[in-house]
Amino acid sequence: DQQVKQNSPSLSVQEGRISILNCDYTNSMFDYFLWYKKYPAEGPTFLISISSIKDKNEDGRFTVFLNKSAKHLSLHIVPSQPGDSAVYFCAASPPQAGTALIFGKGTTLSVSS
Amino acid sequence: DTAVSQTPKYLVTQMGNDKSIKCEQNLGHDTMYWYKQDSKKFLKIMFSYNNKELIINETVPNRFSPKSPDKAHLNLHINSLELGDSAVYFCASSQDLPTEAFFGQGTRLTVV
Repeated sequence: DQQVKQNSPSLSVQEGRISILNCDYTNSMFDYFLWYKKYPAEGPTFLISISSIKDKNEDGRFTVFLNKSAKHLSLHIVPSQPGDSAVYFCAASPPQAGTALIFGKGTTLSVSS
Repeated sequence: DTAVSQTPKYLVTQMGNDKSIKCEQNLGHDTMYWYKQDSKKFLKIMFSYNNKELIINETVPNRFSPKSPDKAHLNLHINSLELGDSAVYFCASSQDLPTEAFFGQGTRLTVV
């Protein structure tokens, strides 16, 4: 039973255009959401996060949007660069102490020049 | 200066063997985790320790045993390895709640 779903396994975008990665979740109790980026043969690295009390968080080229009523979040990358090519994982944090992040399956982003 | 380091990076071993993966973090975090990424690419939590105390123990075969000698180290020992144990194992750490967990580079375990 997947609590965090990334339904698009892959996304291809041209350099300079916008990349939009989507994530859905089922548990309305999740109170914090994160995006991680992973290059081959490396561990995931934290990219950006958003609290459930916000609907938008921006950090440079990266913006995360949260729609709690739809249980949906998205990561926007503008403008996309070839170095952004990686696997992007959406993760949710349960509100209870002593828990761990719950990850989606990831979306592979390919940015072509 | 690596924040979360795990060794070895690659591990190829025969079925039935016992192996260990080591993890160390220099971030001063209180909580450490082991995640498993299987062939379907899911990152699933296996164990979590907070200040050397086991706080998460997901449904994992008891052939897997974590050991935390101190809060900077969390090792994973696997007995009687099976083909299905082949996966990438990631160590991670965080301060308190699992926000912004920092991950190691992963250990690709191949059981032949």
